[in-house]
Amino acid sequence: EVQLLESGGGLVQPGGSLRLSCAVSGFTFSAYAMTWVRQAPGKGLEWVSVITGSGNRTYNADSVKGRFTISRDNSKNTLYLQMSSLRVEDTAVYYCATGREFDFWGQGALVTVSS
Amino acid sequence: DVQMTQSPSSLSASIGDRVTITCRASQGIRNFLVWVQQKPGKAPKSLIYAASNLQTGVPSRFSGDGSGTDFTLTISSLQSEDIATYYCLQYNTYPRTFGQGTKVEI
Repeated sequence: EVQLLESGGGLVQPGGSLRLSCAVSGFTFSAYAMTWVRQAPGKGLEWVSVITGSGNRTYNADSVKGRFTISRDNSKNTLYLQMSSLRVEDTAVYYCATGREFDFWGQGALVTVSS
Repeated sequence: DVQMTQSPSSLSASIGDRVTITCRASQGIRNFLVWVQQKPGKAPKSLIYAASNLQTGVPSRFSGDGSGTDFTLTISSLQSEDIATYYCLQYNTYPRTFGQGTKVEI
């Protein structure tokens, strides 16, 4: 059974940093690209960032470029999102999702940016 | 960026009704389209990939069609458990982009 478990969410002040993790099991992690998607309160889904299976290529939304870094540790079956220079508008539930076709999703981690 | 436009934004239907949601891309995306279901307070779930292929375990009352710029998601006989917001998502180019969502109510 495929499982994705996000962690690391919480309350942070504007300008602060936070690192999200997504621990996965039930499939060959290194064979699949992984994506972060977020959802601001009461809003729709927004694609954030993707990383290839090997980790050698990444793509980011313009809204997070230069502030967020996606990475992965295939030895630990874990995906990361390092978020810095956080803004109030980054407040959202952050989901990790598997593969090019978003086959499986985690349950989400809430990030609140507020003073 | 590819803009994805869904219609309608919301709809109300009865149990057993046939429901169709449309998604239009601002440029051709071949068949690189996913449909995602999100029930209230829950994480999203992928229903259909490559425009018309059902994910494992998804009921057969769901179907997808289309290629290029115009796509549809159809629920052949609406059930109470289908109450959700549905999003289309293109994965032909970066950045990936979602439609704004269609809220389905009874």
